[in-house]
Amino acid sequence: KAGVTQTPRYLIKTRGQQVTLSCSPISGHRSVSWYQQTPGQGLQFLFEYFSETQRNKGNFPGRFSGRQFSNSRSEMNVSTLELGDSALYLCASRGDSSYEQYFGPGTRLTVT
Amino acid sequence: AQSVAQPEDQVNVAEGNPLTVKCTYSVSGNPYLFWYVQYPNRGLQFLLKYITGDNLVKGSYGFEAEFNKSQTSFHLKKPSALVSDSALYFCAVRAMGGYNFNKFYFGSGTKLNVKP
Repeated sequence: KAGVTQTPRYLIKTRGQQVTLSCSPISGHRSVSWYQQTPGQGLQFLFEYFSETQRNKGNFPGRFSGRQFSNSRSEMNVSTLELGDSALYLCASRGDSSYEQYFGPGTRLTVT
Repeated sequence: AQSVAQPEDQVNVAEGNPLTVKCTYSVSGNPYLFWYVQYPNRGLQFLLKYITGDNLVKGSYGFEAEFNKSQTSFHLKKPSALVSDSALYFCAVRAMGGYNFNKFYFGSGTKLNVKP
């Protein structure tokens, strides 16, 4: 099976802009989670989607939003970018009968 | 609050020596426990998990982990380290009860350096 894919892999944006990141889970996986990874804060949970519904949410401001489509592909959006949003954004998927999550390679976002 | 602690930012070990990367957790119920490894500019790769049963679980690349319920710990071990094991290791816990059901919590990561 193909793994989790994320696009784009690298992105440079300017403060104040918005950005959309995409994640395609492993085929058959309905749960998709998003994480922000920074050197100072480690891995921070953003949100989880399951069958197009947000199931869990982390402690991030409303500028961070997401959605999931009927084919389980997910997007996350960050509006009004700030310098502190520079990070590696990781997507992970999990099958209904899986205990663990499987991660994509991440999108490296740089905000200037 | 639910939390996962990896008390060592960095662990240094010589090639051929045994290694241990520590993890303790504070998550209610009987959570599921995991270890992941991350190489530079890559996502996290699943190494092993503890769900139930034998306290010593074996995973990929010769790694194993020991679950200790009374100490709420899940330490990662390998009998003989390789230079290629040098990477960032994350402990993760999946809550299986209460308000945070199904939520994953990650430790801050431990950088493993294996010297030749």
